[in-house]
Amino acid sequence: DTEVTQTPKHLVMGMTNKKSLKCEQHMGHRAMYWYKQKAKKPPELMFVYSYEKLSINESVPSRFSPECPNSSLLNLHLHALQPEDSALYLCASSPNNRAYQETQYFGPGTRLLVL
Amino acid sequence: DQQVKQNSPSLSVQEGRISILNCDYTNSMFDYFLWYKKYPAEGPTFLISISSIKDKNEDGRFTVFLNKSAKHLSLHIVPSQPGDSAVYFCAASQDRGSTLGRLYFGRGTQLTVWP
Repeated sequence: DTEVTQTPKHLVMGMTNKKSLKCEQHMGHRAMYWYKQKAKKPPELMFVYSYEKLSINESVPSRFSPECPNSSLLNLHLHALQPEDSALYLCASSPNNRAYQETQYFGPGTRLLVL
Repeated sequence: DQQVKQNSPSLSVQEGRISILNCDYTNSMFDYFLWYKKYPAEGPTFLISISSIKDKNEDGRFTVFLNKSAKHLSLHIVPSQPGDSAVYFCAASQDRGSTLGRLYFGRGTQLTVWP
């Protein structure tokens, strides 16, 4: 089983709204990732959590706030977003993040539209 | 600075024939390479990977070849099927240090398999 689930599938929000994206995996993976993908572009790394601790923040604006409540869950809290933040937000997980040559498994993504 | 390059944005192949997708990289420290397949509005699906200590890895209809001296890898799909039509991303990673957890993606190649 290599399933990563994400909710919601689609989200429309105004620039003053607060919303959250959720990601879940039950593969026992200890590393989880948030990516942003725009049309016809590759995924861009935003955050990496390793053993529930934030290990990489790719200089993401503070209007994006990640949270890892436990080893299976990853949230992305959104506040005061801009229209240019509209994109597909992907969650991924990998077994360890400290191991050699790991494969990341992606969820289906949340399609976000900011009006 | 694009460290992983897929120079062909699109490829069109007849059903039953071979599809060859190419990928070049510039960082000689990369030691693990992956191919992902992506349908529109979905997350990337892991296809196949190869370690830098190998030059070939095969899984069913999919074979990845690695030429380290040329910093080039390719994905062969034989025989191609209409369901293979998708965007294919090449990705690379390197062990340890500040790059831990990072996948470097190419821009993708849209494969179309026609009947």
